[in-house]
Amino acid sequence: EPEVTQTPSHQVTQMGQEVILRCVPISNHLYFYWYRQILGQKVEFLVSFYNNEISEKSEIFDDQFSVERPDGSNFTLKIRSTKLEDSAMYFCASSLNNEADTQYFGPGTRLTVL
Amino acid sequence: GDSVTQMEGPVTLSEEAFLTINCTYTATGYPSLFWYVQYPGEGLQLLLKATKADDKGSNKGFEATYRKETTSFHLEKGSVQVSDSAVYFCALSALSNTGKLIFGQGTTLQVKP
Repeated sequence: EPEVTQTPSHQVTQMGQEVILRCVPISNHLYFYWYRQILGQKVEFLVSFYNNEISEKSEIFDDQFSVERPDGSNFTLKIRSTKLEDSAMYFCASSLNNEADTQYFGPGTRLTVL
Repeated sequence: GDSVTQMEGPVTLSEEAFLTINCTYTATGYPSLFWYVQYPGEGLQLLLKATKADDKGSNKGFEATYRKETTSFHLEKGSVQVSDSAVYFCALSALSNTGKLIFGQGTTLQVKP
């Protein structure tokens, strides 16, 4: 069964450093998402991406964040200058359609900012 | 704005007990509703969904009915197993047409043999 994969599984970085989290969505999917979950808190939407552009972003997704689909298979989330409060589990998801369609989630990348 | 509220956990049950996890939502219009499950060390998996009022989603013995009048989508299972131990998330798909999901805080279920 096709699945969403994410790398790395765990990333440790120093405050102020740039990180890139990588995701490979399911190959025929058209909609891509990033969510994050701070330890002990709810899963929060960050951004949705369709047709090579952002279709919606949350207040969390400020100028320090960017997303890219560089080569038609990978989908990346970049944090330009990490802060302590960026420490969280980051989930990538993809779906064939939007709205009520099932989103398939990857296993997540745990980001720890020291 | 749109939001989802779930009952606080953790919920601890004995095997074969009846499970209810409450979920209520606030939204403009009639969003689609979902239950996702997260097993230890894994990502979120869709458990079931309902896209309109009075729809019942069901999967693996779990059920939830979309109740417009009470803005609820409670998850139920008649007889839980140890393997059902996980975190359960209720979610709605916002009507922004972008697929954005809004999640509740999650409820941890622990089933003891």
